[in-house]
Amino acid sequence: DIQMTQSPSSLSASVGDRVTITCQASQDISKDLNWYQQKPGKAPKLLIYDASNLETGVPSRFSGSGSGTDFTFTISSLQPEDIATYYCQQYNNLLLTFGGGTKVEIK
Amino acid sequence: EVQLVQSGAEVKKPGESLKISCKGSGYSFTTYWIGWVRQMPGKGLEWMGIIYPGDSDTRYSPSFQGQVTISADKSISTAYLQWSSLKASDTAMYYCARAVAGGRFEYWGQGTLVTVSS
Repeated sequence: DIQMTQSPSSLSASVGDRVTITCQASQDISKDLNWYQQKPGKAPKLLIYDASNLETGVPSRFSGSGSGTDFTFTISSLQPEDIATYYCQQYNNLLLTFGGGTKVEIK
Repeated sequence: EVQLVQSGAEVKKPGESLKISCKGSGYSFTTYWIGWVRQMPGKGLEWMGIIYPGDSDTRYSPSFQGQVTISADKSISTAYLQWSSLKASDTAMYYCARAVAGGRFEYWGQGTLVTVSS
């Protein structure tokens, strides 16, 4: 099965900072990569699908890029409400895998 | 409005069986995959498996194959996750989610907390 290596596992940044999270797949997954946000005590929420498409209603400060094995998720200007854990997730032939998660905190 | 409503929290003893549910509404239940995701206390998300209620085609993560059973009853728009013999290590929050294009979870249930303790 495909492994997803997500980094960093946690980060601390100031409001207004640009935040970048990376996800590496153990094999080529084309653009079959989604990003989710999970706040404490809540179900995850889809932010980005197919590597770079913004889900409806999601603020434009969130973006994604990449293809093949290397992917990047960016928050262009960190806001207090963005405090959460973020996960990448691949889907390949209906075998899915999540990355380990990145906990984002405010400095 | 698309909704996935999961059954309530469960407290069980090791060795007991359990079946939790996820009822879909607001869309055609038979035409979207439903996946199950585990989240152990303080840990990340783990994909367990996925089912297509239209024909009950089911796929499992290798990590969960043989450990759980995923099923669906399309007549009542409900998917299920079941265990035949629970272990303490099954203690976790379990989420169901509707998948688009086989892998994009657009809608999530509220989660079912399963606690297994003697």
